[in-house]
Amino acid sequence: TQLLEQSPQFLSIQEGENLTVYCNSSSVFSSLQWYRQEPGEGPVLLVTVVTGGEVKKLKRLTFQFGDARKDSSLHITAAQPGDTGLYLCASDNYGQNFVFGPGTRLSVLP
Amino acid sequence: DAGVTQSPTHLIKTRGQQVTLRCSPKSGHDTVSWYQQALGQGPQFIFQYYEEEERQRGNFPDRFSGHQFPNYSSELNVNALLLGDSALYLCASSTFDRGSRYEQYFGPGTRLTVT
Repeated sequence: TQLLEQSPQFLSIQEGENLTVYCNSSSVFSSLQWYRQEPGEGPVLLVTVVTGGEVKKLKRLTFQFGDARKDSSLHITAAQPGDTGLYLCASDNYGQNFVFGPGTRLSVLP
Repeated sequence: DAGVTQSPTHLIKTRGQQVTLRCSPKSGHDTVSWYQQALGQGPQFIFQYYEEEERQRGNFPDRFSGHQFPNYSSELNVNALLLGDSALYLCASSTFDRGSRYEQYFGPGTRLTVT
C-alpha cells in the first residue's frame, strides 16, 4: 500500500503571508488529489493532478505535481483566515482505493 | 442537487454495542467508500461498495461490515465496539465513469463516541 507523507504537520502564519505545504511518496502516484477539511466537516476536493510536471491554479492556490510523480506541493499566496483548515493529499493508488496523508493543519491568524 | 448525506450526525455508544451508520451518495454516483478519521489524523480507508458488492477493503477487522442498496445508498456496521473505534466516519461517493474516476465527494461525517 502506498504511504503518503505531508509536511509540515502544523503551520501557523499571519494573514497576507505566503506558504507552501508538501506531499511525498516513496512510490509513483497514479494521480494525486488535494483536499481541505474544516472542523466537523468532510474533506472538500480542491484539485486533481495526473500528469508529471502539471501545474494547476485555483485563485490564490497553486498546485504542482513533481516530474517523477512522487511529490506534490500546494502554495498559497497572501493567505487569509478563511484558508484555515486541514490540508490533505490523497492518491487513488492505481484505482484500488484512496490513500490519504496525515495532513497539514494550517492556521492563518488575522 | 443534494450532495453526499450521512446520518446520524453524532452518536454515543457503549463498549460492546453495535452501530449502523448510513450514507446517501451524490446524485449520479454509483460507488460509495467509507473512511475512519481519528482525531488529528487523515482518513483511513475501510471499504468500497459498487454494484452492491464490496470491491476493496482496507486493513480493518471483520467487525466492520457494510452493505449497498439498489439505490446506491450504503450502511456501515460496526460490531462489538471498542473505545478505539471512536472517530469521525466519512462516506465518499464517486462514479466509475472514466472521465471522473479520480473525484470523490465526501459527506459531513458521523462522529461516533464509544464510552
